Amino acid sequence: DAGVTQSPTHLIKTRGQQVTLRCSPKSGHDTVSWYQQALGQGPQFIFQYYEEEERQRGNFPDRFSGHQFPNYSSELNVNALLLGDSALYLCASTEDGRRDEKLFFGSGTQLSVL
Amino acid sequence: AQSVSQHNHHVILSEAASLELGCNYSYGGTVNLFWYVQYPGQHLQLLLKYFSGDPLVKGIKGFEAEFIKSKFSFNLRKPSVQWSDTAEYFCAVRGTYKYIFGTGTRLKVLA
Repeated sequence: DAGVTQSPTHLIKTRGQQVTLRCSPKSGHDTVSWYQQALGQGPQFIFQYYEEEERQRGNFPDRFSGHQFPNYSSELNVNALLLGDSALYLCASTEDGRRDEKLFFGSGTQLSVL
Repeated sequence: AQSVSQHNHHVILSEAASLELGCNYSYGGTVNLFWYVQYPGQHLQLLLKYFSGDPLVKGIKGFEAEFIKSKFSFNLRKPSVQWSDTAEYFCAVRGTYKYIFGTGTRLKVLA
């Protein structure tokens, strides 16, 4: 049973560029959340996708956008990259509506913006 | 505002020492609390969770945490740590859809 998979594992971009990160949720999960973890910080919620719609958004600018596909996989897009976007980007999945819901995390994509 | 505070950023212990990591939260609704652990080179994984009922919850690898509502706390404990417990530990509270994490505590256990 595959867990949450993310690609790529590492990425180097320059300021102003655009990046797309990908996530496949754990089998049986239909809800995908994205988190940003800056160095020395805890994960910060970016947004959550369910039924191909953004259900909730954290305090991130519109440069951060996402998408969920019919197979529940998801993409995170960041436009006009800034140095401050350098971080570990985590994808987490869960099964919506479960009383004992817990997040399953992927290993993350380490984004470096130069 | 919803927030989670972890007081200890770095902790160094010798094997067999007892561990207690502090976590305080600020959240107005029904509280669901979690401790996640990230071992070196691995992804975040659930250590234990509190939804309701017995405020003393037990997790994997001998960890436990106590929910004290009056103190808005959910401290993590382990009576005797092992070298393999070296990791980063995150406390979190669940909002409507999002999780709010603390800044984490890096634990190093000396063999």
